[in-house]
Amino acid sequence: EIVLTQSPATLSLSPGERATLSCRASQSVSSYLAWFQQQPGQAPRLLIYDASIRATGIPARFSGSGSGTDFTLTISSLEPEDFAVYYCLQRSNWPLTFGGGTKVEIK
Amino acid sequence: EVQLVESGGGLVQPGRSLRLSCAGSGFTFGDYAMTWVRQAPGKGLEWVGFIRSKTSGATTEYAASVKGRFSLSRDDSKSIAYLQVNSLKVEDTGVYYCSRDNIDHFDLWGQGTLVTVSS
Repeated sequence: EIVLTQSPATLSLSPGERATLSCRASQSVSSYLAWFQQQPGQAPRLLIYDASIRATGIPARFSGSGSGTDFTLTISSLEPEDFAVYYCLQRSNWPLTFGGGTKVEIK
Repeated sequence: EVQLVESGGGLVQPGRSLRLSCAGSGFTFGDYAMTWVRQAPGKGLEWVGFIRSKTSGATTEYAASVKGRFSLSRDDSKSIAYLQVNSLKVEDTGVYYCSRDNIDHFDLWGQGTLVTVSS
């Protein structure tokens, strides 16, 4: 099973700041990595798939990069609605696996 | 409106069974594979299982933690995917989500259904 490690666990930032979230895989997942945002009490929302492709309707301030084992989700300038928990998911191998999540909180 | 709606959750005793449903609308349900993800209270997301479309044989994949106890099926005539959960354990408690697989990305999610396993 591929293990995804997200860091940091919590990111404390102010609106307008840049957020950089990391997801590291225990073995190569090529570009088969997605990022999701989850607000409290809500379902996950797809942000990025295939490491760098923004999903439909996702603002341009969200970007993804990386391949192999190291991936990054960047939010260029945090809006109030961006404070949430973010998860990465690999779909290179079965079973699919999620990272443990990064909480982006208001500083 | 394009949407997924889960149902069937509830309070159940350990060892019992439930059948969760995921109803799709606003799109051709049979064209898509479906996946299930769960979330224990206060915890992260855990992938549970995946069922391919009928044209791909409706074959399934499962997480090790549920293999042999959970079973996926689909009725495309009703636009519903099912998750049969047997021999429930306390650690199966959580919100269960279904999601549509749109050419290798999970782009549409339901609101989830809560399963509570307790005596």
